[in-house]
Amino acid sequence: AQSVTQPDIHITVSEGASLELRCNYSYGATPYLFWYVQSPGQGLQLLLKYFSGDTLVQGIKGFEAEFKRSQSSFNLRKPSVHWSDAAEYFCAVGFGSARQLTFGSGTQLTVLP
Amino acid sequence: DAGVIQSPRHEVTEMGQEVTLRCKPISGHNSLFWYRQTMMRGLELLIYFNNNVPIDDSGMPEDRFSAKMPNASFSTLKIQPSEPRDSAVYFCASSIQREGRGEQFFGPGTRLTVL
Repeated sequence: AQSVTQPDIHITVSEGASLELRCNYSYGATPYLFWYVQSPGQGLQLLLKYFSGDTLVQGIKGFEAEFKRSQSSFNLRKPSVHWSDAAEYFCAVGFGSARQLTFGSGTQLTVLP
Repeated sequence: DAGVIQSPRHEVTEMGQEVTLRCKPISGHNSLFWYRQTMMRGLELLIYFNNNVPIDDSGMPEDRFSAKMPNASFSTLKIQPSEPRDSAVYFCASSIQREGRGEQFFGPGTRLTVL
């Protein structure tokens, strides 16, 4: 069965600092990988996705993620964090014919001024 | 496009009452998903539909939960009778599947509180 692990429950960074959120997955076939962001009281917004091809994918809001098959990882990065990036971030793997999602437990990001 | 629309946004009810959550997917999307988010269990897939047909309901927790999709533009998730442990945020998402690809777009969610 597929699973997603986000080892960091909570991360705090200063505004302007770089950010990396970790994600490891377990899936027997070619993974379809996603990062979503959730602001308080809001739904989930897709940041970026990986289906195939270039292992470095660019997303919205200046985020990028790198797929590393050998490490079963899909870490999210941003070179300079803005205060508006404070939110909860979810990594997910899509499986099955409709790419149903299995989510990680999320990483809460706090940005210090 | 208005995105995925869910109603109501908030629902407070008493134990034993019937609760119906509603979802309007993005026009043209052919897959619809219901998820539940709780502190204890995170985000869980409850059921999904493809072309209005339920494909996998293995995530539905109990027989008290049922979901329907009478047409391509409307789906409901019903809980009867409701219990306090059903309190959660329920999300609907839709996608269009092409060649096995299709990212899901989420609605704003319905926050359900069962007293």
